[in-house]
Amino acid sequence: ETGVTQTPRHLVMGMTNKKSLKCEQHLGHNAMYWYKQSAKKPLELMFVYSLEERVENNSVPSRFSPECPNSSHLFLHLHTLQPEDSALYLCASSPLYRSGRTDTQYFGPGTRLTVL
Amino acid sequence: QKEVEQNSGPLSVPEGAIASLNCTYSDRVSQSFFWYRQYSGKSPELIMSIYSNGDKEDGRFTAQLNKASQYVSLLIRDSQPSDSATYLCAVLDSNYQLIWGAGTKLIIKP
Repeated sequence: ETGVTQTPRHLVMGMTNKKSLKCEQHLGHNAMYWYKQSAKKPLELMFVYSLEERVENNSVPSRFSPECPNSSHLFLHLHTLQPEDSALYLCASSPLYRSGRTDTQYFGPGTRLTVL
Repeated sequence: QKEVEQNSGPLSVPEGAIASLNCTYSDRVSQSFFWYRQYSGKSPELIMSIYSNGDKEDGRFTAQLNKASQYVSLLIRDSQPSDSATYLCAVLDSNYQLIWGAGTKLIIKP
């Protein structure tokens, strides 16, 4: 498998559920990102991991909890979400973080999340 | 608040014509600029990156950068229906933060 993969592709959950999104990159990159994409809005950066260390946390509610066990895998743990959290959640990776040209990001296919 | 501005569209262009997509940014010290294409229901994919003033060509795509005027554009020559998508502009600012525009929806009419 090549590039960046994400599972599941679609997820419907109730507000009391706990679920996790998974991302895996096969590009040998050192940085991984979680984004939220809502209709007609710019991509919202949620979290960044560089060399398995969280380096960005952009005021994301605590009901979203990231985990990066190694440089190839990234998880987003979800619990007690709200309907307004329904969106496309995208994972991306880049060769390096905060190094200029090597910040070029490559995206996974995304998880379409619906919170009922 | 650093911003990247794009006209949301939709921009409608006849097949075979040149599609011109524009993007302006607020951080004067930005150094790296990217165009991504996103088909409906899909994730963004990188089309072009540009780092220096002037034009950069790749097949039917040309990226143009003017740092003095703080704008970057994407030209698509000989537009095809398969070019219909939303085009996202992203700018790496002086703090190495990637700032995204909301995208321009492009429709190529056969």
